[in-house]
Amino acid sequence: NAGVTQTPKFQVLKTGQSMTLQCAQDMNHEYMSWYRQDPGMGLRLIHYSVGAGITDQGEVPNGYNVSRSTTEDFPLRLLSAAPSQTSVYFCASSPNPGRGDNEQFFGPGTRLTVL
Amino acid sequence: AQSVTQLDSQVPVFEEAPVELRCNYSSSVSVYLFWYVQYPNQGLQLLLKYLSGSTLVKGINGFEAEFNKSQTSFHLRKPSVHISDTAEYFCAVSDTGGGNKLTFGTGTQLKVEL
Repeated sequence: NAGVTQTPKFQVLKTGQSMTLQCAQDMNHEYMSWYRQDPGMGLRLIHYSVGAGITDQGEVPNGYNVSRSTTEDFPLRLLSAAPSQTSVYFCASSPNPGRGDNEQFFGPGTRLTVL
Repeated sequence: AQSVTQLDSQVPVFEEAPVELRCNYSSSVSVYLFWYVQYPNQGLQLLLKYLSGSTLVKGINGFEAEFNKSQTSFHLRKPSVHISDTAEYFCAVSDTGGGNKLTFGTGTQLKVEL
């Protein structure tokens, strides 16, 4: 199993550009989520999904959209990039929605810089 | 709502010395507790978790943590660290009432020196 994969590893955008961060998992996990990691702030939840066709907002959703058309994929879209979105983005998955005791499996991250 | 406090942003320690990384949490509901580790330029991986039962939890790579309900703490310890333990460590909580959402602390950078 490849686990959780993310592409690209690095990306530089100009203010106002849009892009999609890709996330895929091959473990048949129902729960998937996106976090951003900023220095001194830990990881903060952006959006999450408990299954195909179901998404919801996390702690910091503004400026980001998600969709979940398949169990495997959970892309994160930046509609109009801003310098405040410069961060490292992590995708994570977990087998059972509603089970807070489950381990979450993280991808390797995407480092995004917005100029 | 929950919150997690990791007071130490950086902890330097010599190889083979013991280490303790502190974590305190605040929550109006019961929580599960986790420690995740992030090696340089990698994603996070689970070290250990406390769900219920014995308050002393053992994890991978010789780490252990003790849940203290009265002090709302979940400190991580290792009796003898190795250079390869250099990483960032995150404490996190989730609600036992359902849902997978994790609330993370700000992280502690452990730097092991020779």
